[in-house]
Amino acid sequence: QKEVEQNSGPLSVPEGAIASLNCTYSDRGSQSFFWYRQYSGKSPELIMFIYSNGDKEDGRFTAQLNKASQYVSLLIRDSQPSDSATYLCAVSYGGSQGNLIFGKGTKLSVKP
Amino acid sequence: DADVTQTPRNRITKTGKRIMLECSQTKGHDRMYWYRQDPGLGLRLIYYSFDVKDINKGEISDGYSVSRQAQAKFSLSLESAIPNQTALYFCATSDPNRGANYGYTFGSGTRLTVV
Repeated sequence: QKEVEQNSGPLSVPEGAIASLNCTYSDRGSQSFFWYRQYSGKSPELIMFIYSNGDKEDGRFTAQLNKASQYVSLLIRDSQPSDSATYLCAVSYGGSQGNLIFGKGTKLSVKP
Repeated sequence: DADVTQTPRNRITKTGKRIMLECSQTKGHDRMYWYRQDPGLGLRLIYYSFDVKDINKGEISDGYSVSRQAQAKFSLSLESAIPNQTALYFCATSDPNRGANYGYTFGSGTRLTVV
């Protein structure tokens, strides 16, 4: 069974804090990992991609991957109210460039 | 103009009616997908196509059919709509030439209500 698990939240953090979003997956063969941001009623928008163990930073966002633990995380530093959205974790299955399986998403709320 | 365009944006239809959702893209991507999104259930894959001659079922294809008319066009049909097909539908594309970083680009979505 292909599974991508996320805490549904809501995760509430104050403005300026670090938001930490987590995702676990079931297939050890997964090779590509993505984080999408989705505002209410809008389409998912790709914000981060990672495929090797360790950290990848892009502005206020850091993606972390631990393949041994089958764990992916997204850190948002200096959280802003505009970061309030649902964050979807997506994991590839079936080898190189396999289809993506999406988690159900974690809803983040950043309070001013 | 949007890279991935879905039409219509919103649609209300009656039970038993046939309806087609259309998707067109200007990104030149070979791979196209149809997902539906329901509250609490996340995004679920309906059908996908890796090129014009390739059509594959996803995890929830029952009650749906698709047509890949051209590289740029991928349509989803509900032959006889039922209320539990009420959902937000997304078309997506991806480019396998990008290697490991082949994240999908989504259209704006079609909100379908079956009454």
